[in-house]
Amino acid sequence: NAGVTQTPKFRVLKTGQSMTLLCAQDMNHEYMYWYRQDPGMGLRLIHYSVGEGTTAKGEVPDGYNVSRLKKQNFLLGLESAAPSQTSVYFCASSYSPPYVSSGVSYEQYFGPGTRLTVT
Amino acid sequence: QQPVQSPQAVILREGEDAVINCSSSKALYSVHWYRQKHGEAPVFLMILLKGGEQKGHDKISASFNEKKQQSSLYLTASQLSYSGTYFCGTESMGNTPLVFGKGTRLSVIA
Repeated sequence: NAGVTQTPKFRVLKTGQSMTLLCAQDMNHEYMYWYRQDPGMGLRLIHYSVGEGTTAKGEVPDGYNVSRLKKQNFLLGLESAAPSQTSVYFCASSYSPPYVSSGVSYEQYFGPGTRLTVT
Repeated sequence: QQPVQSPQAVILREGEDAVINCSSSKALYSVHWYRQKHGEAPVFLMILLKGGEQKGHDKISASFNEKKQQSSLYLTASQLSYSGTYFCGTESMGNTPLVFGKGTRLSVIA
């Protein structure tokens, strides 16, 4: 199993350009997440998905869009990149949402990350 | 709202012990702990559920104090391989995704 993969690994964009980051998982997980990581800020949730065809906003969704057309893929789009979006982006997936009220909580599996620089 | 981790950074010599704390102002359902080595992805360590359950992973253990909404990660007899940034992630009651703290950078030196 490859686990969670992300493409590309590195990317440099100019202000105003657009791009899509791809996340794929082969663990049949229902839940997928996109985070950004900035120095001293920890991991901040951008958007997440609780299943194919569904998405929801996280803590810092502005300037990003997502789509989950297939269960195994979760795409993160930047329509008009800004220098403030320079960051390392991590995708993650989990078997079920961490907040299941049945008393069960599952870990998140992270991809290797994408380092994005916007000049 | 992000949980607060302390300390922000700590330096240990091999064999020394350390405690990392994670506090929240919200009532918590569970606390996750992850470790991230430089340039790599975060890796899961353990989950603590409400009820004060204590879990262990090799020489790393953790506790969850439900009354204080606080979790502590205990690293005993530290090894060089323990170096990295430790993140706690908290889940509040209700349908809220995991919220991560800003991390604690742990450096173990020989």
